[in-house]
Amino acid sequence: AQSVTQLDSHVSVSEGTPVLLRCNYSSSYSPSLFWYVQHPNKGLQLLLKYTSAATLVKGINGFEAEFKKSETSFHLTKPSAHMSDAAEYFCVVSDLTGGGNKLTFGTGTQLKVEL
Amino acid sequence: DAGVTQSPTHLIKTRGQHVTLRCSPISGHKSVSWYQQVLGQGPQFIFQYYEKEERGRGNFPDRFSARQFPNYSSELNVNALLLGDSALYLCASSPLPGQGEEKLFFGSGTQLSVL
Repeated sequence: AQSVTQLDSHVSVSEGTPVLLRCNYSSSYSPSLFWYVQHPNKGLQLLLKYTSAATLVKGINGFEAEFKKSETSFHLTKPSAHMSDAAEYFCVVSDLTGGGNKLTFGTGTQLKVEL
Repeated sequence: DAGVTQSPTHLIKTRGQHVTLRCSPISGHKSVSWYQQVLGQGPQFIFQYYEKEERGRGNFPDRFSARQFPNYSSELNVNALLLGDSALYLCASSPLPGQGEEKLFFGSGTQLSVL
């Protein structure tokens, strides 16, 4: 079964400093991995996705993630945090067994951005 | 274009009651998935439907059921509500299931409180 582990439940950064949200995955085959963001009272929004085309994936709002098979990691980064980045971030793996498309979410990382 | 719409946005029920949640996918999307998000956790997969047929089911009891209509909208039904069913229920739509690379588009959810 596919799974993801988000290593930090809360991350706090100052505006303008880099962001690093960590995620490790477990998969019996080459996984499809995603990062989603959830702002309060809003639906989940896809930030980026990895599907084996390139190990460095660029997403929306300046976020990117690097797939490292040797480390089974898919960490999310951004060079400079903005106040609007404060939200809950989920690392997600796609499970295609059974003919459907089931997403397995991590437990989430709450990002706080301070002035 | 309208996104994924869910109704109602909030709902309060008592233990033992039944609830029906509704979801309209993005126009042209034929697959609908349901997720449960308990406070402080990541969403968990409940069901996926495509062309009115169940394509996947998560680890939820038989009290949870769903169906998809000819217009691709969907209902999630929960019988004999328990306090632990209190959660945000998210609906997501996609054009096709099982391809792994397509994005899921999420609605804002229905917040269910069971008293």
